[in-house]
Amino acid sequence: QKEVEQNSGPLSVPEGAIASLNCTYSDRGSQSFFWYRQYSGKSPELIMFIYSNGDKEDGRFTAQLNKASQYVSLLIRDSQPSDSATYLCAVGGPTDSWGKLQFGAGTQVVVTP
Amino acid sequence: DTEVTQTPKHLVMGMTNKKSLKCEQHMGHRAMYWYKQKAKKPPELMFVYSYEKLSINESVPSRFSPECPNSSLLNLHLHALQPEDSALYLCASSQAQGNQPQHFGDGTRLSIL
Repeated sequence: QKEVEQNSGPLSVPEGAIASLNCTYSDRGSQSFFWYRQYSGKSPELIMFIYSNGDKEDGRFTAQLNKASQYVSLLIRDSQPSDSATYLCAVGGPTDSWGKLQFGAGTQVVVTP
Repeated sequence: DTEVTQTPKHLVMGMTNKKSLKCEQHMGHRAMYWYKQKAKKPPELMFVYSYEKLSINESVPSRFSPECPNSSLLNLHLHALQPEDSALYLCASSQAQGNQPQHFGDGTRLSIL
């Protein structure tokens, strides 16, 4: 059973602090990794994707990938109340399952003023 | 606003009705997807179209019938649905069926009476 696991939260973060979200996956053949943000009642919005080991930064967001340890993380710097949402980790499989994303259950983030 | 447009935004239908959901994208993407999302759960893949051909059917009941008339359009025809089919139906697209990021539309919130 291929699995993607996330802490469900809620993760409470003071405004201006760094939010750190983690995601582990079981399929070693996974090749692509995505973070989506989903506000309550809305659709998922792509915020980051990463394919190679290491860090990738985009504005206040940094995605980190460690394939040897099978985890991917998302850092949100200078957290704002507008960052309060559920963050979904999604993992793309190997070639024979391209197009299929395995989603984690999501981590709810609450940024408190 | 997303570049994947879904209509209608809301749909209420009886169990004997026939209706269709529509999805349109003008990003030149060649892969399109249907997902179903229940409250507080991650999206579940239903169908994948690649270059207008059905590529993946995740054992979806036949009361859901997808159609891809051209590279920009994706429909989901609904017939004889059950109350448990009430959910948010999401369309997504990506450049190709592979490791590319999938971009979601706003979704259609479907309620079955």
